[in-house]
Amino acid sequence: SFALTQPPSVSVSPAQTATISCSGENLANKYVAWYQQKPGRSPVLVMYQGSKRPSGISERFSGARFGDKATLTISGTEAPDEADYYCHVWDRKIVFFGGGTRLTVL
Amino acid sequence: QVQLVESGGGVVQPGRSLRLSCVGSGFNFKNHGMHWIRQVPGKGLDWVAMISYDGGEKLFADSVRGRFTISRDNSKNTQFLQMNNLTPEDTAIYYCAKDNYYDSSGGHMDYWGQGVLVTVSS
Repeated sequence: SFALTQPPSVSVSPAQTATISCSGENLANKYVAWYQQKPGRSPVLVMYQGSKRPSGISERFSGARFGDKATLTISGTEAPDEADYYCHVWDRKIVFFGGGTRLTVL
Repeated sequence: QVQLVESGGGVVQPGRSLRLSCVGSGFNFKNHGMHWIRQVPGKGLDWVAMISYDGGEKLFADSVRGRFTISRDNSKNTQFLQMNNLTPEDTAIYYCAKDNYYDSSGGHMDYWGQGVLVTVSS
């Protein structure tokens, strides 16, 4: 059955580029969304339809899809980017979330 | 601005029922699908249910199908989650979220509420 797989954690140094991956069957042909969640807060949409940024989201955030993988890339990573990130797709009338990736800015 | 405010959470015994509400404002509520998503503190996001703009389409996760029902009252900009036969595994923060589409056409959740805690315990 369908599932989304994310690495549990990613670490990055300030000002470097962080890439968070999300794996699932045929993601290149699905609308992938990404959410950022900081401790004690509700999730916030940071990317949709694979590579589109909602208004108010920094241009440092970008997204891509290819084959069975989607990625969220954060360039020039800053301390406030430290959070949990979740990918999301629909598959056959069911919503799937990845398990989440904890981004640590060292 | 878009606001989603959940209510109705609390502590309930196993086997009992609880109804959550979510009032939306700042957008045309009747034109959007709405979701419930839950999260055990410290764990990941777990989708629960979705209702289309007119209530004609209702979708559920396998873990709650047959126990939970979802409904909406567009005249009051409110959606509901009726949770029956609750178990300790249903303990979580429940979030209300707005879909950018009107149904299950593959949209995303562009706004989320602050969440409400449901604790199932004897």
